[in-house]
Amino acid sequence: GIQVEQSPPDLILQEGANSTLRCNFSDSVNNLQWFHQNPWGQLINLFYIPSGTKQNGRLSATTVATERYSLLYISSSQTTDSGVYFCAVLNNDMRFGAGTRLTVKP
Amino acid sequence: DTEVTQTPKHLVMGMTNKKSLKCEQHMGHRAMYWYKQKAKKPPELMFVYSYEKLSINESVPSRFSPECPNSSLLNLHLHALQPEDSALYLCASSHPRGDTQYFGPGTRLTVL
Repeated sequence: GIQVEQSPPDLILQEGANSTLRCNFSDSVNNLQWFHQNPWGQLINLFYIPSGTKQNGRLSATTVATERYSLLYISSSQTTDSGVYFCAVLNNDMRFGAGTRLTVKP
Repeated sequence: DTEVTQTPKHLVMGMTNKKSLKCEQHMGHRAMYWYKQKAKKPPELMFVYSYEKLSINESVPSRFSPECPNSSLLNLHLHALQPEDSALYLCASSHPRGDTQYFGPGTRLTVL
């Protein structure tokens, strides 16, 4: 099946810093989603982004489908950004990467 | 309303108990999903229902039994579970299968 790799696995930032999270996938996909999982386990949709670039406040994402990767940018990070960020690819069904665990320190 | 609800939030059960997890959505979605997530791991797909019919069972043991009574509801019946089944169980829905998935808050299950 399709392989999804996320990097880095762990990231520690000082509040206010910027970061880039990467997602590589091994085959063409119909769609791709980025999620933030908060400490209580809720998976929050960030972006549905099969290709191109989208922005939502301090977050933006870019997917280059032909090169099989997606990037999530977080600018001016806040402590509430802490949690696990998952990339998930969709053909018929969703397959998740292992996630990037982000800790933002005050 | 883009909400998927799940009950209960927490569940502790013994290995001989029978319990059920419930999931509900009112977005008119016709695909619903159960995922299992162990600590520090990503969610893994268990079951997919599309138009109230079971489409995928990802080699899940028979002690987990899904049910989709109507287009808004999804149940997961649990029987004779093992301690290693302790996990966060997440429900999701999407408009058709393959579209954006929306997740519920999960049920945190502990099997003693």
